[in-house]
Amino acid sequence: ETGVTQSPTHLIKTRGQQVTLRCSSQSGHNTVSWYQQALGQGPQFIFQYYREEENGRGNFPPRFSGLQFPNYSSELNVNALELDDSALYLCASSLDGGPYGYTFGSGTRLTVV
Amino acid sequence: AQSVSQHNHHVILSEAASLELGCNYSYGGTVNLFWYVQYPGQHLQLLLKYFSGDPLVKGIKGFEAEFIKSKFSFNLRKPSVQWSDTAEYFCAAYSGGGADGLTFGKGTHLIIQP
Repeated sequence: ETGVTQSPTHLIKTRGQQVTLRCSSQSGHNTVSWYQQALGQGPQFIFQYYREEENGRGNFPPRFSGLQFPNYSSELNVNALELDDSALYLCASSLDGGPYGYTFGSGTRLTVV
Repeated sequence: AQSVSQHNHHVILSEAASLELGCNYSYGGTVNLFWYVQYPGQHLQLLLKYFSGDPLVKGIKGFEAEFIKSKFSFNLRKPSVQWSDTAEYFCAAYSGGGADGLTFGKGTHLIIQP
């Protein structure tokens, strides 16, 4: 059973740029959720994709968007990067939505300069 | 809005000491509660979870937690900690009602001194 893999592990971007982060879900999981973890804070829910459609969203602006593909892998896109977007971005996969059986990836550390 | 608060941001204990990490949530309805652990350089791992039934929940690695509804609390305990328990611990809540995701506390950084 493979876990959740995220790429890249680290990334440095300039303010105003756009970034795409990738996540491969655990085998057998059809739901992917994304979280932002700022330094010294707990993870904050960004959104969730279930069978290729967004079915839940936290308090994040529209410049945070995503996709889920037929193989249930997912992308998180952030446009017009701001310094405050610097954080660890976590992906979690599960079966049929809900956080009951989350498997988390190790995250992508994004630094915006 | 739902929120989760963890009382201690940093805790330092000696090996074999007993551990209790506090967690309170603010939500009046049905809530599911979780404790996650994040070891240095590793991904978040589920320690234990509470959905319903027995309010005393046992998890992995000798951890347990007690759900006290009247106090809106879900404290994590371990009778005797080990150096390998050094990690970041997060309490989280889920209120259901669709794909709302988990609400996490800010975390407690636990350091166990040998």
